[in-house]
Amino acid sequence: EAQVTQNPRYLITVTGKKLTVTCSQNMNHEYMSWYRQDPGLGLRQIYYSMNVEVTDKGDVPEGYKVSRKEKRNFPLILESPSPNQTSLYFCASSPQGPRGGYTFGSGTRLTVV
Amino acid sequence: DQQVKQNSPSLSVQEGRISILNCDYTNSMFDYFLWYKKYPAEGPTFLISISSIKDKNEDGRFTVFLNKSAKHLSLHIVPSQPGDSAVYFCAASWGSGANNLFFGTGTRLTVIP
Repeated sequence: EAQVTQNPRYLITVTGKKLTVTCSQNMNHEYMSWYRQDPGLGLRQIYYSMNVEVTDKGDVPEGYKVSRKEKRNFPLILESPSPNQTSLYFCASSPQGPRGGYTFGSGTRLTVV
Repeated sequence: DQQVKQNSPSLSVQEGRISILNCDYTNSMFDYFLWYKKYPAEGPTFLISISSIKDKNEDGRFTVFLNKSAKHLSLHIVPSQPGDSAVYFCAASWGSGANNLFFGTGTRLTVIP
């Protein structure tokens, strides 16, 4: 089944403790992206990657890092999480950019206390 | 500032009737628009898209209308079914090499059996 898999689905952590949210797709898509969803703000792009080793900032990259060492994986790293990073995170992939229609993962609900 | 706005947080419609979801945008550079549907505890799913060179696009029960002069698009669902109950997001991008989508805040549609 074609899908984007995110882990974990739920995570509660403490301020400053480094964490990684994994994302993997099995569709051989070149384009991958991370979004966060917050009440009243819709989905906002954090980082995107056009291909292996090619990543760039989205609209809200502060406090996040990403890497794209292999085509299928696009982890999101929070080096020192803060409470304002409490949010619902979605990973998405597309064959060639967001206009092709994203396939989204099921989301990761992160709470930073 | 929100460039894509969905001013109705919720909408209730009787089964079999038409559902009309609205979306307004402020950036006149936007030239491609998409609608996504989201069920609880799942990621958004791509529904339908439209380019600014068209004013209408149809896919089965779903039709998207674009009014560029008013910077307004709408999604029509006819006939509405209980399975259509979900949150609907509109999204916009500009430029053929776009790397981001700008999302609205979503409208929760409830189809009453």
